[in-house]
Amino acid sequence: EVVLTQSPGTLSLSPGERATLSCRASQPLNSDFLAWYQQKPGQAPRLLLFGASFRAIGVPDRFSGGGSGTEFSLTISWLEPEDFALYYCQQYGDSPFTFGPGTKLEI
Amino acid sequence: EVQLVQSGAVMKKPGESLMISCKASGYKFTSYYINWVRQMPGKGLEWLGAIAPFDSSNTYNPSFRGHVSVSVDRSVSTAFLQWRSLKVSDSALYYCARRPVSGARMAMDVWGKGTTVSVSS
Repeated sequence: EVVLTQSPGTLSLSPGERATLSCRASQPLNSDFLAWYQQKPGQAPRLLLFGASFRAIGVPDRFSGGGSGTEFSLTISWLEPEDFALYYCQQYGDSPFTFGPGTKLEI
Repeated sequence: EVQLVQSGAVMKKPGESLMISCKASGYKFTSYYINWVRQMPGKGLEWLGAIAPFDSSNTYNPSFRGHVSVSVDRSVSTAFLQWRSLKVSDSALYYCARRPVSGARMAMDVWGKGTTVSVSS
């Protein structure tokens, strides 16, 4: 099973700042199968990025992703108030699909 | 509008059986896998398994295989997650989410709102 580790666990920033979230895999991944989700309290997860760097429909271009092998990142270039939420990475190339433990982005 | 509408919250006792549902609309049901994801209270996301509606083939997370089962009814574009014998530890929020059968790179792009399952004696 591929284990995903996310860092930091909590990231405290202010609107207008840049956020960089990391996701590390226990073994090399095919970057085609790395996704990032955003979850707000009381809501279902929302797909942000798939294939490591492709934005889902409707996702603002301040969200970007990259990486390869075992190291991946999600960058929010300037934080809007609505971006403060939980963020999960997920690999869906090897079964069982696995999620990271999440990074809480807080003000 | 593309939607996955999940059945309502349920309360059950340990040992009871349960089936929750996920009804798809607004897209071709057989073109997308339906995945099931668990979120225990205050915790992260766990993938339970998935089913391909076009042939009902399925795959499970080994951690959950044998305890849950997934199925579909193509005639009503609905997927199901079933337990034969619930445990208190099954208390959680369960999401269904679709992922395309083709377009391999795409992830789970549409999610249901979740079904809360509470198991208590």
